[in-house]
Amino acid sequence: NAGVTQTPKFQVLKTGQSMTLQCAQDMNHEYMSWYRQDPGMGLRLIHYSVGAGITDQGEVPNGYNVSRSTTEDFPLRLLSAAPSQTSVYFCASSYSADLRTEAFFGQGTRLTVV
Amino acid sequence: AQSVSQHNHHVILSEAASLELGCNYSYGGTVNLFWYVQYPGQHLQLLLKYFSGDPLVKGIKGFEAEFIKSKFSFNLRKPSVQWSDTAEYFCAVNSGNNRLAFGKGNQVVVIP
Repeated sequence: NAGVTQTPKFQVLKTGQSMTLQCAQDMNHEYMSWYRQDPGMGLRLIHYSVGAGITDQGEVPNGYNVSRSTTEDFPLRLLSAAPSQTSVYFCASSYSADLRTEAFFGQGTRLTVV
Repeated sequence: AQSVSQHNHHVILSEAASLELGCNYSYGGTVNLFWYVQYPGQHLQLLLKYFSGDPLVKGIKGFEAEFIKSKFSFNLRKPSVQWSDTAEYFCAVNSGNNRLAFGKGNQVVVIP
């Protein structure tokens, strides 16, 4: 059972480039989310999804897009990378959208934008 | 919007010392409360959670937390820490709006 799988683990982008961070879970979880982690800032919610076909913005959505075409996958797209998007990105999933169950996190993607 | 406050971002202590990390949240209604831990180079893992019932909850690795509704607090404790408890600890709160809000974290370093 792989849990939550994120790819890639590391990425360097040039300013203005676009890319997609992949996230997949094999636990049939209803809820998926993306966070960014910056030193001294904790984890901040970017986007989340309560089920296939349903997404919503979190605390810091600007510059990011998401889609949820299947229960398993929740990719995060950076439209035009900026140095301010240098961060560690975590994908998480939970069985229930009411978040009364544990959130499982991926290993993270360390992104550097130069 | 709900907010979560964690104080004393950096904590340094010796093995066998007691640890207490504070967590306060802003939402006044029904909340679900969590503590997550992130060991160096790893992803976040659940330490413990509180939904209802006994306000003193016990988690993995000897950690416990106490929910005090009147103080909007959910403090984490461990009576005697080990070097392996060196990690970053995050308090998280869900108030039923499909969002999990995290505090800024406590970086804990345990000196052997």
